[in-house]
Amino acid sequence: GEDVEQSLFLSVREGDSSVINCTYTDSSSTYLYWYKQEPGAGLQLLTYIFSNMDMKQDQRLTVLLNKKDKHLSLRIADTQTGDSAIYFCAESIENNDMRFGAGTRLTVKP
Amino acid sequence: GAVVSQHPSWVICKSGTSVKIECRSLDFQATTMFWYRQFPKQSLMLMATSNEGSKATYEQGVEKDKFLINHASLTLSTLTVTSAHPEDSSFYICSAIYLGQWTEAFFGQGTRLTVV
Repeated sequence: GEDVEQSLFLSVREGDSSVINCTYTDSSSTYLYWYKQEPGAGLQLLTYIFSNMDMKQDQRLTVLLNKKDKHLSLRIADTQTGDSAIYFCAESIENNDMRFGAGTRLTVKP
Repeated sequence: GAVVSQHPSWVICKSGTSVKIECRSLDFQATTMFWYRQFPKQSLMLMATSNEGSKATYEQGVEKDKFLINHASLTLSTLTVTSAHPEDSSFYICSAIYLGQWTEAFFGQGTRLTVV
């Protein structure tokens, strides 16, 4: 089947930028999402991008979409210790079902 | 990685009947399971959080008498949609976590419910 893939780990220093990458294989994806999961909690929607967009910015978050390469990235500017969490990318395909990546564990060091 | 199995993958039922969806963690003990619902062309909505052996915590606006959640063991949680109506048609997905040092979430494959 189609897969959504992410690197499993990312470690950055406080104040640096974090870039979390995701690749997907289904070209019929309509929406792509970034979710954050903090310890013991459920998913929190951070942002999403429609497939006909290249970029979306929301405060410290920047989402870049390269539809040709089926590559999605989430950049967190001025990363803080509170940003330490697991970040999931997900795609929503034509029949509206969602598929998730395995999650990227972001560790922010002081 | 850990596997979460959700069953059934899809179900069609008549209006007024009840449907049970199972979420099983196959190779780890899930201390907490989450149930989500996705409305068409929208992202996931958290419905409830269930901890093994205790009552589920429902999000605001989710009817607990309509969406019954049972988490009787560390490997199984069930969501029962009671007296289903067409507006309950949706994609339901569970995720399970183990409250260890790191709390990765593992997702089921989802259940497409269609109420006719």
